[in-house]
Amino acid sequence: RKEVEQDPGPFNVPEGATVAFNCTYSNSASQSFFWYRQDCRKEPKLLMSVYSSGNEDGRFTAQLNRASQYISLLIRDSKLSDSATYLCVVNRGSSNTGKLIFGQGTTLQVKP
Amino acid sequence: DTEVTQTPKHLVMGMTNKKSLKCEQHMGHRAMYWYKQKAKKPPELMFVYSYEKLSINESVPSRFSPECPNSSLLNLHLHALQPEDSALYLCASSQRGEVTYEQYFGPGTRLTVT
Repeated sequence: RKEVEQDPGPFNVPEGATVAFNCTYSNSASQSFFWYRQDCRKEPKLLMSVYSSGNEDGRFTAQLNRASQYISLLIRDSKLSDSATYLCVVNRGSSNTGKLIFGQGTTLQVKP
Repeated sequence: DTEVTQTPKHLVMGMTNKKSLKCEQHMGHRAMYWYKQKAKKPPELMFVYSYEKLSINESVPSRFSPECPNSSLLNLHLHALQPEDSALYLCASSQRGEVTYEQYFGPGTRLTVT
């Protein structure tokens, strides 16, 4: 089983749609969770950290379910500029060493 | 300002060459990282420096040699690379290394080994 698993997609959605990405992680001791986006041939950019209580940043909402070891990202009112690969990222284990494990990424294509 | 800079943007080198990749951050971060990313794959951690000391080496071959001259700079020295080492090399930094803070990435160096 991979440490961080994501549905690779691609998700093809029209502008204005709501889309949700899911991610599961295998290590129950993990404590830090993030979503990054990566455009083609560019570096990953931090989209948002994910907190236990859930958090929202504009059109983006992240949720964490520790019991199920599940993380989600909801994008509302999709824009063309949201087209990218979304990476679910988890720290490895309980020892906070800065070691991050990246999921394979979910590709989103927003169409006009 | 969350800027991490990397030079060069592109590098082509032969298997007998020696070259270096450079990374710089001015955010006062005390942890810096090297990652390798192959096409259509996620980044893979190579090295972690925390407070200018190497804290993690993910069993990287010795033909890759990291160096952290000071808290703002990180180098990756390359020697006798193989064609399969061709990849995007990403540098990242975070506030500290012993706690998992958000990491901020530079634009990367796209390396081709011929």
